[in-house]
Order: sequence, then C-alpha cells, then structure tokens
Amino acid sequence: EAGVAQSPRYKIIEKRQSVAFWCNPISGHATLYWYQQILGQGPKLLIQFQNNGVVDDSQLPKDRFSAERLKGVDSTLKIQPAKLEDSAVYLCASSLDLPGLAGETQYFGPGTRLLVL
Amino acid sequence: SQKIEQNSEALNIQEGKTATLTCNYTNYSPAYLQWYRQDPGRGPVFLLLIRENEKEKRKERLKVTFDTTLKQSLFHITASQPADSATYLCASSNSNSGYALNFGKGTSLLVTP
Repeated sequence: EAGVAQSPRYKIIEKRQSVAFWCNPISGHATLYWYQQILGQGPKLLIQFQNNGVVDDSQLPKDRFSAERLKGVDSTLKIQPAKLEDSAVYLCASSLDLPGLAGETQYFGPGTRLLVL
Repeated sequence: SQKIEQNSEALNIQEGKTATLTCNYTNYSPAYLQWYRQDPGRGPVFLLLIRENEKEKRKERLKVTFDTTLKQSLFHITASQPADSATYLCASSNSNSGYALNFGKGTSLLVTP
C-alpha cells in the first residue's frame, strides 16, 4: 500500500513570496490533515478535511494560509505572503475516517521542509 | 487551554535497558492518548493508542500506561536497541476539540550499544 505522498520535499523562498505544497493521501482515506511542525516542537494541526469539506481550520492563519481539497483526494496548502516564522516542516496526514471516539490512526507523509529567508 | 507536556530533555540509555518516557496533561481529560515515533526527516509513525478507561496497553516490546489520577501516561520500551533511537511524540484527543490530535513536543531517545 502506497503511503502519503508530499511534494516538494524542500523549499527555500524569500519572505513575502508565495509557496504551495501538494499532498496525495492514501487511497480511500476520507480524512486529510495538514500540520505545521516547527523545529523542536510537536506537529500543530492547521486544517482538517473530510472528503472535500473543511472540518476544522481554527488554527489556520487565514490571512496568509489557504488550503483546498477540491475533488476529495489530493490537497494543496498555500502560503501567501510567507513570513520568516513560517519556516517549518509541513506534514500531511490521512486517516480512513474522522478521528471520533474510536481514534483513527493517522498516516503521515515525509513532510515538506520550508525555509523562509 | 489544553496542555500536554513531555520531558524536553533527551533520554540516553544503554542497549538492553528499559526506556521510560513521560507525558503529562493538564486542564482537560483526554478520551485517549496516542504515541508516535518520528525519525529525522520523516513523518511521525503511529505506535499505540490507549483510552481513558484502559490502564495499560502492550505491543511487542512497547507498553503504555494511562493514569487519570496523576494525569499522566508512561511509555516503556523494554530491551531497548539502538534502532529504537528516535523522537517519541505523545498526542491527546478529546471531544472538545473534535478529537483532533494535540501533540506534545516529543522526547528524544538515544540508545547506545
């Protein structure tokens, strides 16, 4: 079974530029997550999709971050304009269904390492 | 706010010993806790889930406990091996946040031969 795919793996941009990340979840997984992991910290949830609908985007800085999952499969996360503090690893994860009380296992991709200069 | 804390200091142990990692939570009651392993340059990998009504869970050389009185989970790796060296993340979840995972900072484990 193929895992969660992400691209690019690395990206270096200057502040105020824009950047986009792509994620392809495990086939059949309805729920997709984007996390931000700053060096030395645990992952922080940015946005959660169920199929092509947003379930939770309460921690997404909506003035500069946007995400979509138009066909309920692939997803893109965009930052525009980027700030220095956006330097982090952006992780995509997927699960069969919503977490719920059952506690769905989340499968993570390798992440995209972003450096903003 | 919901806080989950892991020992930020790295844990260094000798091969063959038992590694014990701590996860503490405050201000809420998780429905369950999950433990993940993260290697450098990779995404986290799920290891174990323990629910609030479970005291202990085991999987091969791994054991996790959940003490709701102490508001603490302990993660044990018995007969540790150098290949167990990684960062271990604790994550909590409850209904207040729609069961979204709230991760701790992780604890780095180094097992030396």
